[in-house]
Amino acid sequence: DQQVKQNSPSLSVQEGRISILNCDYTNSMFDYFLWYKKYPAEGPTFLISISSIKDKNEDGRFTVFLNKSAKHLSLHIVPSQPGDSAVYFCAARVTAAGSYQLTFGKGTKLSVIP
Amino acid sequence: KAGVTQTPRYLIKTRGQQVTLSCSPISGHRSVSWYQQTPGQGLQFLFEYFSETQRNKGNFPGRFSGRQFSNSRSEMNVSTLELGDSALYLCASSFEGADTQYFGPGTRLTVL
Repeated sequence: DQQVKQNSPSLSVQEGRISILNCDYTNSMFDYFLWYKKYPAEGPTFLISISSIKDKNEDGRFTVFLNKSAKHLSLHIVPSQPGDSAVYFCAARVTAAGSYQLTFGKGTKLSVIP
Repeated sequence: KAGVTQTPRYLIKTRGQQVTLSCSPISGHRSVSWYQQTPGQGLQFLFEYFSETQRNKGNFPGRFSGRQFSNSRSEMNVSTLELGDSALYLCASSFEGADTQYFGPGTRLTVL
C-alpha cells in the first residue's frame, strides 16, 4: 500500500522551460511535505518543503504547490537547468506523531536537455 | 558545519554474515533515522533514534537493529545477511523541533 505516489518514473524537459513534478498521497494524516533531489551514489539533498497550512512555498527557482482536497502536490522548477537532472523524491510526514519518519514516493527521474 | 557522515561507504559481505554501519549526525542534531533504498521498493524507513532511545520503527524483521550513543552517533546492525539486504542504507539527522531531515551519502551494501 503506497501512501505516497509519484506516477511518472521519468520526465524530460528542455533547458529554460518549466519542469513540473507531481506527487499524490493517500494518508490524510500527512501534514508536512518535502522534496529531495538525489544524484547517483549520493544521499538525498533537501530542496523545499511545505506545511499543510499553506498551499504554496517558493525558494528561488523552486516552487511547491499543495492541494489538500485533492491530496496532491507538485514541484515546479523554473527555468530548468542541466544541473537539475537528477531523481526527485516527494516525502511526507505526520508531525503530530512526534517522529521524523518520512514516507517517500519512488521518485521521478528528471532529465534537462541542453 | 559538517554534514551527516556515514562509514563505510561501500561494503561487500556474504550471506549469513552480519554487518554494522555507522552514522555521525550534524552537530547539534539528536534525532537520527535510517532508511533502506532498493530499486524495487524505493526509500523505506527502518528506525529512528532520539536521545539514545528508539522512537519509531519501520516494518523490517528483527535482524535489523540499531542503537544511538550519548554523542548522538548511531549504528545499525544487520544479522544473518540475505541477498535481498543488498541496498543503499541512508542515515538522516534532524534538529529537534525543526521540520527537515538531512541525509548522509549512504553506505552501499552488497550481499553475495
